[in-house]
Amino acid sequence: QQQVKQSPQSLIVQKGGISIINCAYENTAFDYFPWYQQFPGKGPALLIAIRPDVSEKKEGRFTISFNKSAKQFSLHIMDSQPGDSATYFCAASKHGTNAGKSTFGDGTTLTVKP
Amino acid sequence: ETGVTQSPTHLIKTRGQQVTLRCSSQSGHNTVSWYQQALGQGPQFIFQYYREEENGRGNFPPRFSGLQFPNYSSELNVNALELDDSALYLCASSLHDGREQFFGPGTRLTVL
Repeated sequence: QQQVKQSPQSLIVQKGGISIINCAYENTAFDYFPWYQQFPGKGPALLIAIRPDVSEKKEGRFTISFNKSAKQFSLHIMDSQPGDSATYFCAASKHGTNAGKSTFGDGTTLTVKP
Repeated sequence: ETGVTQSPTHLIKTRGQQVTLRCSSQSGHNTVSWYQQALGQGPQFIFQYYREEENGRGNFPPRFSGLQFPNYSSELNVNALELDDSALYLCASSLHDGREQFFGPGTRLTVL
């Protein structure tokens, strides 16, 4: 049973455009939702994260939107740049002693064309 | 402050063999989690170590085992390797009550 579903699988965006990646989760016990960026040959790097007590979080060109009732969250990359081309993963984890035991989506490969 | 390091970078083994992968956690982090990332998929949680004991396990068989040492570094051991064990193995360190994890570059294991 896949607990975090991510879409689309791949995404092509023109430079300067907006990239949008969506995730849906099933387990209502999840209370931490990070997004990771992974370049080939590297481990995932934390990009931005949100907790369910807020509906939106923005850091620079990256924004997470969170809809608790729909159990969905999304990553928006504004003014997408070729350097943003990477694989993006959403994830979810629970609080307390379960912190750090993340469930990941299957990833979205983003290509930003110059 | 040093980041998470893993060794070796790449490894080739044959089916039935055993393998040990190593991870050094980021300075100050006391918790290490291991993940398996198959090609084209997201990382899957294997287990987590805190205070040298296993602190939670994902859906992986007992032939996947681990250790954590007093300096918080960790090992992942896989016995009786199967072809499907071919993957990128990622180590992530964090504080025990901290959700933010820092990943190492991974070890690429190929089982022939």
